[in-house]
Amino acid sequence: EVQLLESGGGLVQPGGSLRLSCAASGFTISSNAMSWVRQAPGKGLEWVSTISGSGGSTNYADSVKGRFTISRDNSKNTLYLQMNSLRAEDTAVYYCAKEVAGTLWSFDYWGQGTLVTVSS
Amino acid sequence: DIQMTQSPSSLSASVGGRVTITCRASQSISTYLNWYQQKPGKAPKLLIYAASSLQSGVPSRFSGSGSGTDFTLTISSLQPEDFATYYCQQSYSTPLTFGPGTKVDIK
Repeated sequence: EVQLLESGGGLVQPGGSLRLSCAASGFTISSNAMSWVRQAPGKGLEWVSTISGSGGSTNYADSVKGRFTISRDNSKNTLYLQMNSLRAEDTAVYYCAKEVAGTLWSFDYWGQGTLVTVSS
Repeated sequence: DIQMTQSPSSLSASVGGRVTITCRASQSISTYLNWYQQKPGKAPKLLIYAASSLQSGVPSRFSGSGSGTDFTLTISSLQPEDFATYYCQQSYSTPLTFGPGTKVDIK
């Protein structure tokens, strides 16, 4: 059974950093592209970043480019999102998501989400 | 960036009724269009990918159609568990973008 379990969220001050983790089970993350999608309280879904199956290609939303870094540790079957220079507008539930095999950038499995709150 | 719009933003429907949600892209995206269902406090769930392919395990009352810029999600006979918010998402190019959502509630 495919499962994704995010962790690492919490309360952080503006300008601070957090690293989110997404532990995968039931599949090998190196076989699929993986993404982070966020949802601000009461708002819609916003794509944040994607890393290719090989890990050689990454993409970012303009709103986080230069501040966030997506990475993966295949030995731990875990996806990461390093978030630096956090702003109030980064406050959201962050979901990791697995790409549908054989497709591009559609997501069939999602984690339960981890809440990041940026506030002083 | 490709902008996604949805209509209506909300609707009320009865159990057993037919529901149609429309999604429009700001430029042609072929059939690179996905539909998700989200319930409060839960992660999104993939319903339809590639505009019309039903995700495994999703009931056949859900269907998708369209290509280019105009797409439709149809629920043929609304069930109590279908009351939720529905999002479209283009997977044609980055930045990947979602529609603003359509909330379906009980009439």
